[in-house]
Amino acid sequence: DIQMTQSPSSLSASVGDRVTITCRASQGIGIDLVWFQQKPGKDPKRLIYAASRLQSGVPSRFSGSGAGTEFTLTISSLQPEDFATYYCLQHNSDPYTFGQGTDLEIK
Amino acid sequence: QVQLQESGPGLLKPSETLSLTCSVSGGSVISYYWAWIRQPAGKGLEWIGHIFTSGNTNYNPSLRSRVTMSLDTSKNQFSLKMSSVTAADTAVYYCARDLGPGGHSTRYDSWGQGTLVTVSS
Repeated sequence: DIQMTQSPSSLSASVGDRVTITCRASQGIGIDLVWFQQKPGKDPKRLIYAASRLQSGVPSRFSGSGAGTEFTLTISSLQPEDFATYYCLQHNSDPYTFGQGTDLEIK
Repeated sequence: QVQLQESGPGLLKPSETLSLTCSVSGGSVISYYWAWIRQPAGKGLEWIGHIFTSGNTNYNPSLRSRVTMSLDTSKNQFSLKMSSVTAADTAVYYCARDLGPGGHSTRYDSWGQGTLVTVSS
């Protein structure tokens, strides 16, 4: 199985901050990576697909980069509605695997 | 925009079989892979597996011996069965759209709202 190591597991930040979340794959996965945002009691919402393509309707302050084994999700200027949990998912090979999640909290 | 809705019993006893259905509206199940994912309370997401229109399936090896997925094109829905459940299977179960003709653009773009399944004696 491909292991996805997501860091940090939690992060405290303030409105307006720039934050970066990283996912590292245990082997190369090309650009077969999706980033999700999940709020309590809700289903995950896709933010980024193919590692760097922004989902339609998602604010441009969200961006994704990377290929191979290292990927990043960046929020350029945090807004109050961005405080949530973020997950990466690799879909390069079965079984697909998620990162452990990053809880983004208000400082 | 395709919409997905999970349905099925919310309470099971240990050793029973979990049976969930995902109904798809606003689009066809044909020519797509469809997935099941679960999330225990307060924990992360776990990929259970996916099924294609042809019936081709791939399951997470950790659950493979207990999981069966099926798809009914006439009803535009797909299903999950998990046998011999234990308390460890208590989780919110989500269905989602996986891969389709649009390639990357369709990957996990649509999810059901999730359904809580509790296993308790």
